[in-house]
Amino acid sequence: GAGVSQSPSNKVTEKGKDVELRCDPISGHTALYWYRQSLGQGLEFLIYFQGNSAPDKSGLPSDRFSAERTGGSVSTLTIQRTQQEDSAVYLCASSSQQASYEQYFGPGTRLTVT
Amino acid sequence: DQQVKQNSPSLSVQEGRISILNCDYTNSMFDYFLWYKKYPAEGPTFLISISSIKDKNEDGRFTVFLNKSAKHLSLHIVPSQPGDSAVYFCAANDGGSTLGRLYFGRGTQLTVWP
Repeated sequence: GAGVSQSPSNKVTEKGKDVELRCDPISGHTALYWYRQSLGQGLEFLIYFQGNSAPDKSGLPSDRFSAERTGGSVSTLTIQRTQQEDSAVYLCASSSQQASYEQYFGPGTRLTVT
Repeated sequence: DQQVKQNSPSLSVQEGRISILNCDYTNSMFDYFLWYKKYPAEGPTFLISISSIKDKNEDGRFTVFLNKSAKHLSLHIVPSQPGDSAVYFCAANDGGSTLGRLYFGRGTQLTVWP
């Protein structure tokens, strides 16, 4: 079956521009997560959606970052006024209610801010 | 503040030998631990997990050991194969209000040579 997909796979943008990253989770998975991995670092939690509950936004590094999940499926992570320190691989994951610890990751979007 | 630590950035092992990857954590509330494997340009894939009520979990060539008193876990791969060469991430969850959110280490690059 189809796994988690993300688009674009690569994005190069100029400092100060806005970017949108998309995630399509595995069908039927109720939980969706965004992480990012900066060079030489582990995965850093950003935001978590679970069903119809309010999202856990505690990992978002600044108010330039926002995310939404429409219809309980597709999610978009938006970064406004991008900065060079936003350069990273942004990873999306999804999981089922029954096994929420085991998260399935997409291939990521590599964002480069010049 | 890194709550999950992988102090060895790299490990090199000969094919057929045992690979031992180590992970330490600081948060005593963590109650579920996972190992993920990541190939270049791909998202992490779930490998094996262990609940805090156990001290060992085995799946084929992979065994995870948990020492709660030492806040330490390890992943054993035996026998190691060249296809095991990847970055291995240790992750943990505290099962609290952010059910499903994972805390990751920085990863260990395993290289298995013929």
